[in-house]
Amino acid sequence: SQQGEEDPQALSIQEGENATMNCSYKTSINNLQWYRQNSGRGLVHLILIRSNEREKHSGRLRVTLDTSKKSSSLLITASRAADTASYFCACGSSNTGKLIFGQGTTLQVKP
Amino acid sequence: SQTIHQWPATLVQPVGSPLSLECTVEGTSNPNLYWYRQAAGRGLQLLFYSVGIGQISSEVPQNLSASRPQDRQFILSSKKLLLSDSGFYLCAWSSEVRNQPQHFGDGTRLSIL
Repeated sequence: SQQGEEDPQALSIQEGENATMNCSYKTSINNLQWYRQNSGRGLVHLILIRSNEREKHSGRLRVTLDTSKKSSSLLITASRAADTASYFCACGSSNTGKLIFGQGTTLQVKP
Repeated sequence: SQTIHQWPATLVQPVGSPLSLECTVEGTSNPNLYWYRQAAGRGLQLLFYSVGIGQISSEVPQNLSASRPQDRQFILSSKKLLLSDSGFYLCAWSSEVRNQPQHFGDGTRLSIL
């Protein structure tokens, strides 16, 4: 499968703690993207990291990419209750030009 | 700014009935358009994508079809719904450049009885 696979499937932390989610993939990629989905809503694009980049920051988000291990991680620092959502990685396949989504990590941040 | 509209938000249909879900995009031209299905607690399965009017690519064999009658309009249809068609359907658009971020509508929750 070319799909990204997220780990863990579910994560529960206290407000203020950091949350780390991991994504592994099998295909050759142009970029890797992270999305957030609130319950019952559409996905919202968070951040894109290109295959020639190793780390990228956006506010409280930090994304790393290791193309040799075919893995990426999303770190949310100083989490808030409002960060409670599902987070998906999506691989931009260099073969097909399409995005291939993982199964997601469900994050619960307790106030 | 660009916006995407998807309706209805929820739909309950009997088995064997037809289906039409509509998605429209504003504020951009010649977008790539996508229909996804999401099972409960799962990731997204790409059903159809379109790079232009009348150009539809199907990703998986199924009971559904898609059409793009206008540049910014994408329609998901079925002549006869099956129980297995239940799910959360999401429409998305991206720029025509490969692997760009996708922007999603709020989805349609479809329940088949």
